[in-house]
Amino acid sequence: AQSVAQPEDQVNVAEGNPLTVKCTYSVSGNPYLFWYVQYPNRGLQFLLKYITGDNLVKGSYGFEAEFNKSQTSFHLKKPSALVSDSALYFCAVRDIGGSSNTGKLIFGQGTTLQVKP
Amino acid sequence: EAQVTQNPRYLITVTGKKLTVTCSQNMNHEYMSWYRQDPGLGLRQIYYSMNVEVTDKGDVPEGYKVSRKEKRNFPLILESPSPNQTSLYFCASSWGPGLGNTIYFGEGSWLTVV
Repeated sequence: AQSVAQPEDQVNVAEGNPLTVKCTYSVSGNPYLFWYVQYPNRGLQFLLKYITGDNLVKGSYGFEAEFNKSQTSFHLKKPSALVSDSALYFCAVRDIGGSSNTGKLIFGQGTTLQVKP
Repeated sequence: EAQVTQNPRYLITVTGKKLTVTCSQNMNHEYMSWYRQDPGLGLRQIYYSMNVEVTDKGDVPEGYKVSRKEKRNFPLILESPSPNQTSLYFCASSWGPGLGNTIYFGEGSWLTVV
């Protein structure tokens, strides 16, 4: 069965420093990986996805993610954090179902990013 | 603006009182689904719909119903809500269930059942 793990409940970083939010996955077959962000009292916003091709994926708001097949990881990164980046971040993998394709995303538990001024 | 719209955004209700959370998308997407978000569990799929009149259960369908009479709308129905259905609910849509398709989410509906 497919699964996603976000090993850190919270990540703290100072404004201006680089940030990394970790994600590891387990899938049978090729992974289709996504990152979403949830700001307080807002919905889930799509940041970026990895389907195939270049291992470094660029997304919205200056975020990028690095796909590493050997380590089964898809870490979210940003070179210079902003206070406004403080939010809840979710990693997800598209479910590669057995006989039926449900189309669902399988989510990690989420990581709270706290950027301090 | 392309969006998924849910209503109500916030609701407190009592056990057993039927309620409906509406969802509408303006992107002409065929695929729609509902998730619930609970602390420490991430998001879990409740129901999904591949197209009009085609719906199926997700991972946690108990206590919920859905319908898809029109392409743009996908309401979530709680016939007899219970406190364990207190959660944050998200409606979502995409062009289809294809693995590379991006799923877009609404802003969420906070539901409290007392």
